Amino acid sequence: GQNIDQPTEMTATEGAIVQINCTYQTSGFNGLFWYQQHAGEAPTFLSYNVLDGLEEKGRFSSFLSRSKGYSYLLLKELQMKDSASYLCAVTDSNYQLIWGAGTKLIIKP
Amino acid sequence: ETGVTQTPRHLVMGMTNKKSLKCEQHLGHNAMYWYKQSAKKPLELMFVYNFKEQTENNSVPSRFSPECPNSSHLFLHLHTLQPEDSALYLCASNEGREGDEQFFGPGTRLTVL
Repeated sequence: GQNIDQPTEMTATEGAIVQINCTYQTSGFNGLFWYQQHAGEAPTFLSYNVLDGLEEKGRFSSFLSRSKGYSYLLLKELQMKDSASYLCAVTDSNYQLIWGAGTKLIIKP
Repeated sequence: ETGVTQTPRHLVMGMTNKKSLKCEQHLGHNAMYWYKQSAKKPLELMFVYNFKEQTENNSVPSRFSPECPNSSHLFLHLHTLQPEDSALYLCASNEGREGDEQFFGPGTRLTVL
């Protein structure tokens, strides 16, 4: 079967750095997405990785290793507004998007 | 209006009611999606429409009936739902090409009594 694993919940301190991991087992791979979803709001796009390596976008970076079926989202200089759920999703060989259950990130002052 | 809009934002219905959810995208996209989001579970893809044609139906019960009259509008017609259908229903759209990000609406919070 197809599976995306990410931690259910993480806690971090304002100003610190946090890494949210995502591992996947899918039938084929055609890209990995990270989305942010604040409580009661729509998911919004953060990043897309299709090749191995690190993609940096301001305070957020996303890393991919296709051989390991692994990705992480790195958030630097955490702010209170970063408290949200972070969703990992993989496009499989049929270009279907397979979603993880999301990681709820709690930022403490 | 910009982006993807959904109405109503909240809906409470009995198991014998018939209601419809509406989604509209103002982005000129070709593909539209319905998802179900339950607490602590992955997003479940329900239906996909590409250029108004349904291209995906992920074994969704027939009590959910989609309708796509044009590329900008998507409906989800609901009838004789069950309490376990209570969830957040999200609509999304994109260009329909591989690797395209999806743009989501704010969702309809559905409660079935």
